[in-house]
Amino acid sequence: AQSVTQPDIHITVSEGASLELRCNYSYGATPYLFWYVQSPGQGLQLLLKYFSGDTLVQGIKGFEAEFKRSQSSFNLRKPSVHWSDAAEYFCAVVSDMEYGNKLVFGAGTILRVKS
Amino acid sequence: KAGVTQTPRYLIKTRGQQVTLSCSPISGHRSVSWYQQTPGQGLQFLFEYFSETQRNKGNFPGRFSGRQFSNSRSEMNVSTLELGDSALYLCASSLEPGDDYGYTFGSGTRLTVV
Repeated sequence: AQSVTQPDIHITVSEGASLELRCNYSYGATPYLFWYVQSPGQGLQLLLKYFSGDTLVQGIKGFEAEFKRSQSSFNLRKPSVHWSDAAEYFCAVVSDMEYGNKLVFGAGTILRVKS
Repeated sequence: KAGVTQTPRYLIKTRGQQVTLSCSPISGHRSVSWYQQTPGQGLQFLFEYFSETQRNKGNFPGRFSGRQFSNSRSEMNVSTLELGDSALYLCASSLEPGDDYGYTFGSGTRLTVV
């Protein structure tokens, strides 16, 4: 079954510093990958997604992610973090089911931004 | 256009009671999926509905059920509530199943079982 691992439970970065959140997936074929962000008490907002093609994907809020098949990774990056980026970030992969599919999420990474 | 609307936002119930949560998808979206989010288990798939039919179900007991109406609105029901059912329940809608996987999530319903 498809799975996603986010190795870092918490990450703290200084405002203005660069950010990289790690995501590793387990999937035999080309995966469909997503990054979502969740602010406290809120739902999930899609940052970006990868299906195929260019391995560097641009998203909203200045985020980007790079798909690396050789490393089974889909890491999220941002060159300069803002205090408003503090939230929880989830990597997800589409998992096939008998009819259709579902999203399988990683455990999440909580981002803290210090001023 | 309006996003995915989940009602109520917060709910407190007693063990043994039942609860019904509602999800109104984005206008034109016909597929609705439900997820449970807890600190211990994270985000887990509950079920997916399309055209008033349950297409898939996750690994949850039969106390969890749902349905979808002709206007694509969906409800999920949990009977005989247990303390462990306390969670944030998220609904996601998309045009059709697998439609570019354009899932849009609602803000969720926070259920507390006491």
